Amino acid sequence: NAGVTQTPKFRVLKTGQSMTLLCAQDMNHEYMYWYRQDPGMGLRLIHYSVGEGTTAKGEVPDGYNVSRLKKQNFLLGLESAAPSQTSVYFCATTGMGGEQYFGPGTRLTVT
Amino acid sequence: GENVEQHPSTLSVQEGDSAVIKCTYSDSASNYFPWYKQELGKRPQLIIDIRSNVGEKKDQRIAVTLNKTAKHFSLHITETQPEDSAVYFCAAIRIRGGADGLTFGKGTHLIIQP
Repeated sequence: NAGVTQTPKFRVLKTGQSMTLLCAQDMNHEYMYWYRQDPGMGLRLIHYSVGEGTTAKGEVPDGYNVSRLKKQNFLLGLESAAPSQTSVYFCATTGMGGEQYFGPGTRLTVT
Repeated sequence: GENVEQHPSTLSVQEGDSAVIKCTYSDSASNYFPWYKQELGKRPQLIIDIRSNVGEKKDQRIAVTLNKTAKHFSLHITETQPEDSAVYFCAAIRIRGGADGLTFGKGTHLIIQP
């Protein structure tokens, strides 16, 4: 039982490049989330999904897209990376009680 | 939307003393308030949570209190130990069926002085 996993763990992009971050969960949870964490800013919600095939915008969605084609996977895409997207990205999932379980994070640097 | 304020941003206490971190929230409909501990380079880990139908909850050296009227909640750590050093985040959310995503405070860096 791996819980919530994320790939890759680290990535360096040049401005304008694209990439996809993968989150996978084996907890059979409906809800999945993508957050970004910046120094002094706490965690901020980018996008989330309430079930397979559904997505919704969070607090800071601009510059990101997401897809939830399978219940266990939630993908976060950056179409044209910018230095402002340098951050640590955390995926999370939650059961019906609201407790959120986080993945190990992806450290992204955009140069 | 919800807005969560957290204070202080840094807290330094002597080992064995108590630490208190305070948060306020803006949405009176919020009904779930978790606290997370994050060590350097690690993921946030849930340490305790409280729901709006409860005023206080305790788990060994950690306790959380909630004042719905004033819209604030606090984390209390007693008999602090070196391993308590970390960044602590409060959060709030209105759970209705599922959950639309937590709103986090900006974090408190807790330093335990030996």
